[in-house]
Amino acid sequence: QKEVEQDPGPLSVPEGAIVSLNCTYSNSAFQYFMWYRQYSRKGPELLMYTYSSGNKEDGRFTAQVDKSSKYISLFIRDSQPSDSATYLCAMSAKDSNSGYALNFGKGTSLLVTP
Amino acid sequence: SAVISQKPSRDICQRGTSLTIQCQVDSQVTMMFWYRQQPGQSLTLIATANQGSEATYESGFVIDKFPISRPNLTFSTLTVSNMSPEDSSIYLCSVEASGGYNEQFFGPGTRLTVL
Repeated sequence: QKEVEQDPGPLSVPEGAIVSLNCTYSNSAFQYFMWYRQYSRKGPELLMYTYSSGNKEDGRFTAQVDKSSKYISLFIRDSQPSDSATYLCAMSAKDSNSGYALNFGKGTSLLVTP
Repeated sequence: SAVISQKPSRDICQRGTSLTIQCQVDSQVTMMFWYRQQPGQSLTLIATANQGSEATYESGFVIDKFPISRPNLTFSTLTVSNMSPEDSSIYLCSVEASGGYNEQFFGPGTRLTVL
């Protein structure tokens, strides 16, 4: 079992819809959780960063972490065609050997249609 | 956030040759990381490069295949040695954010095709 599971999609929604993206994980030591957005032929761009459980909101984006269920989510409100990209979840536990090595999901491909 | 550049942005190489990828950051950073992103797969950490010490490799990656240099706090190189078609991938460097947090910022990547 991979440590981080993410549905690759693709997920297609109409403009203005609320998008829900999710990841599950198996390693209870993970305590730092991130969402990256990756446009085609570009490097991943950090969107949201959360520590431990709870919610964090930034504009149209909300990140949720439920450590008891080992489940994280990213919600995008009022989705726009410019949100079309691949969304990667990532998480880490403190690792003295390799810093804070990130464990990534495979990414969910999102298409927002006008 | 740091501004990260990589060279080359893409390359097509022959089997058995080697390619060195450069990563330049616009500010001094302690930790730099090298990842591989294969089609349909997760980003996978190859190694962590700290200035002044040997790189730390993840399971499945060895120094002979992926030698890394870290000569100063703004620069690192990753060499993909004796390449085979299985090495065709996107290679990305990242740096850890300052301030004691473990957010990582990524470069644009190097798209490598091995024939």
